[in-house]
Amino acid sequence: AQKVTQAQTEISVVEKEDVTLDCVYETRDTTYYLFWYKQPPSGELVFLIRRNSFDEQNEISGRYSWNFQKSTSSFNFTITASQVVDSAVYFCALSTGVSSGSARQLTFGSGTQLTVLP
Amino acid sequence: NAGVTQTPKFQVLKTGQSMTLQCAQDMNHEYMSWYRQDPGMGLRLIHYSVGAGITDQGEVPNGYNVSRSTTEDFPLRLLSAAPSQTSVYFCASSYSKGVVVNTGELFFGEGSRLTVL
Repeated sequence: AQKVTQAQTEISVVEKEDVTLDCVYETRDTTYYLFWYKQPPSGELVFLIRRNSFDEQNEISGRYSWNFQKSTSSFNFTITASQVVDSAVYFCALSTGVSSGSARQLTFGSGTQLTVLP
Repeated sequence: NAGVTQTPKFQVLKTGQSMTLQCAQDMNHEYMSWYRQDPGMGLRLIHYSVGAGITDQGEVPNGYNVSRSTTEDFPLRLLSAAPSQTSVYFCASSYSKGVVVNTGELFFGEGSRLTVL
């Protein structure tokens, strides 16, 4: 069985601060995918990034960066110089079963509510 | 582009009533799914479909039915609503290669907030 843990329920920062959202996952599969989704106050979930288990390179996209470490089963998300528009709930998710040809289970963490204060 | 469209956005039901949440996508995605979102629990998979005529259960299927008669539509039916089904429901779709799904981006609808009294 797979599991995703986002231990930080709520985080509050002041604008321009850097913030890191933690994600720890559990799976016995050797092939899997990790995702981050953003849910702004409007409610709709928006895809941010996908990473497969064989690619441990960190990724940077503008103010966003992701640190994938298989040794600690973590896929953390950092926002640099946060802005008020970053306020949202952020979900980490894990997709497994790829090796069996049945990657049908996408497991979400419980989410982290990020509030960026002006 | 419409993407994934869910209706209704809000609904209040009484215990025991039935209703259908509609979901339609115009991206020709084979894979469609329904999730429910509850406070502190993230999103949990209810049912999913990998193509027309094919459906399967997710993590929390009890109390819900689905069907997939076309590629575009994937309705979720509550046969006899219970207060425990008060939640926000999301429909999502993605491109799939055969049975290997959930390796790419999921496209979500705006959600349907259901309250069961």
